[in-house]
This record gives sequence, structure tokens and C-alpha cells, in this order.
Amino acid sequence: RKEVEQDPGPFNVPEGATVAFNCTYSNSASQSFFWYRQDCRKEPKLLMSVYSSGNEDGRFTAQLNRASQYISLLIRDSKLSDSATYLCVVKYDTGKLIFGQGTTLQVKP
Amino acid sequence: DAGVIQSPRHEVTEMGQEVTLRCKPISGHDYLFWYRQTMMRGLELLIYFNNNVPIDDSGMPEDRFSAKMPNASFSTLKIQPSEPRDSAVYFCASSSTRGEEGTEAFFGQGTRLTVV
Repeated sequence: RKEVEQDPGPFNVPEGATVAFNCTYSNSASQSFFWYRQDCRKEPKLLMSVYSSGNEDGRFTAQLNRASQYISLLIRDSKLSDSATYLCVVKYDTGKLIFGQGTTLQVKP
Repeated sequence: DAGVIQSPRHEVTEMGQEVTLRCKPISGHDYLFWYRQTMMRGLELLIYFNNNVPIDDSGMPEDRFSAKMPNASFSTLKIQPSEPRDSAVYFCASSSTRGEEGTEAFFGQGTRLTVV
């Protein structure tokens, strides 16, 4: 079983739609959580950290459920520019960073 | 700061040759990570260092792969001998534990390796 699992998609949605991505992790020693975004042929970049109480950044909302070892990302009012691969990331207390395989989002006009 | 700097950006080599990938982390960062990305396997952690010391190399696929960090500003990933299945994009990333907890990892632009 992979340490961090995501549905690879692709998710094809129209502009303006709301889309949600889920991620599960297997190691309960996981300390911090992040969502990264990766554009085609580019390096991954931080989208947002995920806090225990849940957090929002504009159209993006991240949630964490430690009991179920589950992380989610919600994107509201999707834009064409949101088309990318979204990577779920788990950080252990040792500093180790593990990435999920990523979920591909394609927003269509 | 210029960010994480990797070289070369592209490398094409023949099977059996030695390949050396280089990385300069962001100044002051105490963690350095090497990842390999392929379509099939996604972004795999190969090895990571803390304060120049290798902490976990369990992701290194086999003995043909080795990594060093001789000082805080330089790391190498070496493949010897290279094989076609090593073709991938290799990313280096660095992060800092100083300051706010959970600070992000910054990635270099990657080295696209093709072994023919």
C-alpha cells in the first residue's frame, strides 16, 4: 500500500464548477500536511498548508481528518487556470516529505 | 535568493554511462531532498539529508544510485551505470525547520534525464 494515495483522475469539469480531491495517508506519525500544484513540465509548488481546524485561501479550502487519516481540497468556481496536477503531501516528524501521485484537473470552457 | 538550482536541465546519455546530477539548495535550508518523477510512479522520494547527513535512503532504487552532500550548499545524485529505465525527471528540493513549523519545500526546475 502506498503511504499517500490519491485518485489520479483526470477530473474534467466546466468553468465555474466546484471540485473536490481526496487523499489518504497510512502513517499516523504524519505531522504536517500540504497541497502542492504542478503544472505540465514544471516543478511542484506549494498551494497551501492544511491545518487541523481546516483552512481557506480564496476559492480553495483544505480539510484534515486525523482520525480517518484523510485530507481534502475543495476548489470553488473553477477557472481555466486551475488546470494542473494537485499533489497531496505528508510530512513526518523526521522531516521526511512524501508526495501522492497527484490528481489531474482539467477545467474546460 | 535564486531558489534551488539544479544542473543540468537536460541530460541525454548512453546506457552504461555515469550520470551526475547537481543541486544547490536555498541558503540556510537544513533539509535537502532528491525525488524522481515518472508518469507511472509519480514523485518518488529517493533520499533526504538533514544538515548534510543522509537520513533515509530507502527510496534509492539500487546500488547504481548514490547521493552525497559534502557541504550545506551542494549535493549530487550519481547513477553508475545508467540504464534506460532510469529515464525520468529528477527533482531536488530544500526546506527549513527554522521558524514556523511546517515550512514548505522549494523545488528546483528538475533535470530531465534520458538514457538511450
